[in-house]
Amino acid sequence: RKEVEQDPGPFNVPEGATVAFNCTYSNSASQSFFWYRQDCRKEPKLLMSVYSSGNEDGRFTAQLNRASQYISLLIRDSKLSDSATYLCVVYTPGGGNKLTFGTGTQLKVEL
Amino acid sequence: EAQVTQNPRYLITVTGKKLTVTCSQNMNHEYMSWYRQDPGLGLRQIYYSMNVEVTDKGDVPEGYKVSRKEKRNFPLILESPSPNQTSLYFCASSREREGYEQYFGPGTRLTVT
Repeated sequence: RKEVEQDPGPFNVPEGATVAFNCTYSNSASQSFFWYRQDCRKEPKLLMSVYSSGNEDGRFTAQLNRASQYISLLIRDSKLSDSATYLCVVYTPGGGNKLTFGTGTQLKVEL
Repeated sequence: EAQVTQNPRYLITVTGKKLTVTCSQNMNHEYMSWYRQDPGLGLRQIYYSMNVEVTDKGDVPEGYKVSRKEKRNFPLILESPSPNQTSLYFCASSREREGYEQYFGPGTRLTVT
């Protein structure tokens, strides 16, 4: 089982749609969780951190479910400019202080 | 402007010809790392550095070397590149350790023939 798993997509949605991505992680000791956005062939950039209480930033909402070991990202009123790959990233402390990246979920927002 | 720079951005080379990819950050970050990104495999860490003169292996260190003589610079060295090192490489830095936001460089696309 991969340490961090995401549905690769692509998710093709019309502009204005609401879309949700899920990500599961295997290590219950994982401590911090993030969503990064990566545009085609460019560097990943932090979209938002994910907190236990859930957090919202404009049209984006992130949730963490520690019991089921998954995190989610909800995008409301999607825009063409939201088209990108969304990377789920999990930090697990310990000997390796390991930051593990999912392979990403591709989103395509269409007219 | 706070940034991480990498050079070169694109490189085509031949098997066995030593090369260095430079990485520099201007944010006074202690932590720096190198990743490679391959289709279907995601970002995988090659090496990381907690501070000057402190480096350690990541998940896929074979065939790579690094050094951290100055806080701002973290070059990646391929002593004898092979075709399986053809990849997209990213340097990243962060304020402290990996649990904090990573700032990535623009990437270096390396092709080894």
